[in-house]
Amino acid sequence: GAGVSQSPRYKVAKRGQDVALRCDPISGHVSLFWYQQALGQGPEFLTYFQNEAQLDKSGLPSDRFFAERPEGSVSTLKIQRTQQEDSAVYLCASSLVQGKVTEAFFGQGTRLTVV
Amino acid sequence: AQRVTQPEKLLSVFKGAPVELKCNYSYSGSPELFWYVQYSRQRLQLLLRHISRESIKGFTADLNKGETSFHLKKPFAQEEDSAMYYCALMLNAGKSTFGDGTTLTVKP
Repeated sequence: GAGVSQSPRYKVAKRGQDVALRCDPISGHVSLFWYQQALGQGPEFLTYFQNEAQLDKSGLPSDRFFAERPEGSVSTLKIQRTQQEDSAVYLCASSLVQGKVTEAFFGQGTRLTVV
Repeated sequence: AQRVTQPEKLLSVFKGAPVELKCNYSYSGSPELFWYVQYSRQRLQLLLRHISRESIKGFTADLNKGETSFHLKKPFAQEEDSAMYYCALMLNAGKSTFGDGTTLTVKP
């Protein structure tokens, strides 16, 4: 595809369940970003990869959140033991330019609802 | 702490009227500020950045360091401008902080 692809688009999880959210960046893009957007709020930074290296994970809210990008392409954001406060849209973005989130293209997001 | 504030959650204007979406920031360093737009059912996309001093779709934004503001303006709003607008501050290469957004509705 031509853009950043995220799957699933929608996910309903029971509290305590583990979830995995996938991001397929634009081919060749070295930088990949994850943001969390709660209802009525702006996106909040979670983590940033340059190729397979996770250069910044300062935004991950707890040790239940884990992100990886093992081959420098597809990335997975994993949330363990989901809580209701994890309900949000999770946005992924990728960029050809190293470390410039402002040059990044965003995916359509995964809407996670924890019940 | 770094912060971006968009004081208006909702803004409604008539077609052809001027529009200004407000953005204020707090940041101790040299700010790089941006506006993003999200049209209905579409992805978040970059609209413009202060550093390039560009006009996109008739929108402009001027960085005012004295007032710590970066308001988005357009002299004549169009119905297709109806969207959610986010102001953002780039903190470092990989991270930006966003305001909570303003929903602009342009009425016919």
